[in-house]
Amino acid sequence: DSGVTQTPKHLITATGQRVTLRCSPRSGDLSVYWYQQSLDQGLQFLIQYYNGEERAKGNILERFSAQQFPDLHSELNLSSLELGDSALYFCASSAPGTGGGNTIYFGEGSWLTVV
Amino acid sequence: AQSVTQLDSHVSVSEGTPVLLRCNYSSSYSPSLFWYVQHPNKGLQLLLKYTSAATLVKGINGFEAEFKKSETSFHLTKPSAHMSDAAEYFCVVSDGTGGFKTIFGAGTRLFVKA
Repeated sequence: DSGVTQTPKHLITATGQRVTLRCSPRSGDLSVYWYQQSLDQGLQFLIQYYNGEERAKGNILERFSAQQFPDLHSELNLSSLELGDSALYFCASSAPGTGGGNTIYFGEGSWLTVV
Repeated sequence: AQSVTQLDSHVSVSEGTPVLLRCNYSSSYSPSLFWYVQHPNKGLQLLLKYTSAATLVKGINGFEAEFKKSETSFHLTKPSAHMSDAAEYFCVVSDGTGGFKTIFGAGTRLFVKA
C-alpha cells in the first residue's frame, strides 16, 4: 500500500458527460501528480500541483482540469467525455523538498470507461 | 533535456532463468533513476532508485540495477525469474523535483514461462 488513495476505482459514463476523480496523497506529501495510462498512449503525465498551486502541465486536454485543496487532496475533472478518454488515471504524490531523487508514489488508479 | 529509452518492449524468460531489462537514459544533469513495476490492474510500485550513491542498487524482490555513466545505462536484473515477476516495468529518469521533470520510459512487458 503506497498510501495514496484514489476514488472511485471504476467508473462507467456516457460520452459528453463530466466526471471527477479524487485523490488523497500520502501523509505529509505536498506534491500531487496526475497521469493517464492507455493502451495506445502509454503513461502520460497530465499535471502537477505543489501545496495547492499548479506546478507543471503535461499533455492535459483543455476539457480536463485539476485542483489541489488546502487539505492537499486533489481532484481531476474530466468534461465533455469522449470514447478516447477511456483510460486508467493515476494519482501520485511525493515528499516536499527540492532536488532530484524524490520518489513518486502511485495510487491504484481510477478506471474510466466512456461508452 | 532528458529522455529514457527502454530497449525492449517485451522480454520473455523461463522461470528460474536470469532477467535483464535494458534502459538507456539521457540527461543534462546528474540524474536520479528509478525502476517501477506495474502488475495487471495495479498501480506502479517502486522497485529501486539510484541517487548518486552506490552505482549498484538493490531493490525489492531480488531485483538490482547498475548505473553506468559511461554507457548511460541503468539495466535491471534478477538472477532467477519467478512467475510472480510477470508484469510491466518502467525505467524513469528525473533531474528535478519530479512531475514534468520525471520522464517515464515506454515500459517493458516481462513474460515468465513455467
